[in-house]
Amino acid sequence: AQTVTQSQPEMSVQEAETVTLSCTYDTSESDYYLFWYKQPPSRQMILVIRQEAYKQQNATENRFSVNFQKAAKSFSLKISDSQLGDAAMYFCAYRSRHNKLIFGTGTLLAVQP
Amino acid sequence: GAGVSQSPSNKVTEKGKDVELRCDPISGHTALYWYRQSLGQGLEFLIYFQGNSAPDKSGLPSDRFSAERTGGSVSTLTIQRTQQEDSAVYLCASSLATGVGSGNTIYFGEGSWLTVV
Repeated sequence: AQTVTQSQPEMSVQEAETVTLSCTYDTSESDYYLFWYKQPPSRQMILVIRQEAYKQQNATENRFSVNFQKAAKSFSLKISDSQLGDAAMYFCAYRSRHNKLIFGTGTLLAVQP
Repeated sequence: GAGVSQSPSNKVTEKGKDVELRCDPISGHTALYWYRQSLGQGLEFLIYFQGNSAPDKSGLPSDRFSAERTGGSVSTLTIQRTQQEDSAVYLCASSLATGVGSGNTIYFGEGSWLTVV
């Protein structure tokens, strides 16, 4: 069975600085998708970025980018120029070939002004 | 609808009572997911529907939990004889699911907050 591990329960970053959130996963599949979701206090889950496992190029969405290391089964999220609105719980997720979406336990990000 | 709609948004029920939580996915989305999120915790997978069938029910925590989906649209999660440990936010999500291992975006509702007293 697939598992997703986020080893950082909480992180803190200064406004305008860069922070990296870690995620590792375990799978025997070769084709899958990886996602980062953001959950602010409103509870609404918001997709931040996604990565196709067959693509070697790291995905980028404005200030958000990933470092995808397929062999190491690592999928970290880098947030550049952090903003107060980035404060939220961040979840890493894996979508299997059977379309099941599995989440890590989350990292609570605080942004200090 | 424009987004995934869940009802009720909040429910307080007495221990031992049955509750039904409803999810109305985005129109045309064939895949539907239910997750449970306890306070300060991650998302626990409950069940996944493709159309009206549920290929994966592995996350349902006990036989008190059941879910159905009719007409390939609305889904209902039923919890019988509720217990205090069932208190959590129940999140529903939907997506287009074309082919195996689709990367289509999964959209979440705002959840139903269940409190069992």
